[in-house]
Order: sequence, then C-alpha cells, then structure tokens
Amino acid sequence: AQSVTQLDSQVPVFEEAPVELRCNYSSSVSVYLFWYVQYPNQGLQLLLKYLSGSTLVKGINGFEAEFNKSQTSFHLRKPSVHISDTAEYFCAARNTDKLIFGTGTRLQVFP
Amino acid sequence: DAGVIQSPRHEVTEMGQEVTLRCKPISGHDYLFWYRQTMMRGLELLIYFNNNVPIDDSGMPEDRFSAKMPNASFSTLKIQPSEPRDSAVYFCASSFRREGSPLHFGNGTRLTVT
Repeated sequence: AQSVTQLDSQVPVFEEAPVELRCNYSSSVSVYLFWYVQYPNQGLQLLLKYLSGSTLVKGINGFEAEFNKSQTSFHLRKPSVHISDTAEYFCAARNTDKLIFGTGTRLQVFP
Repeated sequence: DAGVIQSPRHEVTEMGQEVTLRCKPISGHDYLFWYRQTMMRGLELLIYFNNNVPIDDSGMPEDRFSAKMPNASFSTLKIQPSEPRDSAVYFCASSFRREGSPLHFGNGTRLTVT
C-alpha cells in the first residue's frame, strides 16, 4: 500500500534562514509526488510536482524539492524563508487515481 | 478559470439535521474527490468519482454519509443525520485523468455540528 510520511509535525525557523521539510514515501510502483501548501482558512495550493526527468523540481514562491529514488524521499527546501511562508505543508503521492497525503508539517517563521 | 467552487464556506447545524455540501469542479476535469480534514486525522479521502461515476467510497465513514455527482459540473456530499463528530473542514478537489495530474482544491466548507 502506498503511504507518505512527514516526520516533522512542526518546524520553527527564523526569517531569512534556510529550511528543509522532510517527506518519505513508500510504494511498490512508480509514483508522482507533490507538495501542497495550506494557508489559514484556505484550501490546498500546489507548490510543485515531480512526474519524471530531472530530480530537482522548482516550484512557486522560491521552493524546490529533490526526488531521491534510492532513499524514497522528496524533501522540500527553501534557501531563505519569509514570514509569509508560515503555513501547513503537505507532501502527497499519486500512483493510480488516489492522492495520498502525509500528516503535514507546520512551518512557523519567526522575525 | 474560477477554480473549484465549494458552497457554503461555513455551515453550522444542530445534531440530527441534514447537511448538504456542494462542489463545482474545474470544467473539463475527469476526476472529483471529497476529502475531510480534522486535527486528529489530518486529510482523509472520503470518495472519488471518475466521469461522474463513484469509483471508491471506502473512506466514507458511515452510512450517514452519501455523495452524488449527477453531472460533470456538480457534486454533493450529504450527511444525514449529522453528529458533532462530523465537525471538520470538507474539501472538494478535481483533476484531469492523465497520469500525474495534480489535484486542484476548493477553499473548503467548515462544518460545525452542535
């Protein structure tokens, strides 16, 4: 069965510092991987996606993620965060019809 | 495109009442999904449709929950009778059929059952 693990429930960081949000997936078949962001009282917005090809994927708002097949990881990174990046971040995997989400990581950016 | 549209944004109802949540997917999308989000359980897939046909409803918690998609541009999620533990944010999402297509989410309906 397909599953997505986000080990960090919360990540506190100071403004302008780099950040990495971790995601691991498990699947016996090829998967398509996504990161979504959820701001308070809003729906989920697509940050980036990995389908195939280059393992480094760039998304919106300066975020990027690297697909690592051997480690079954898809970690999200940003070299310098802003206060406005404070939100919940979800990693997700889709290999058939369903999109399966991790439990989310709360990124809190402090001034 | 206006994106996925859900109504109402907020719903407050009393236990035992019927609740109907509505969703208009993005035009041309083949799939429609209903998710529920709570603090305790995170994002749970309740049911999804392909070309208006329900494919998997194994996530629907009880018989009190039902979902329909009478046409390509409209879906409903109904809870009858509602209970306080149904309080959550319910999201609708849609996508194309092709492999790797991302889901596009609505802004959700926040349901409170008192």
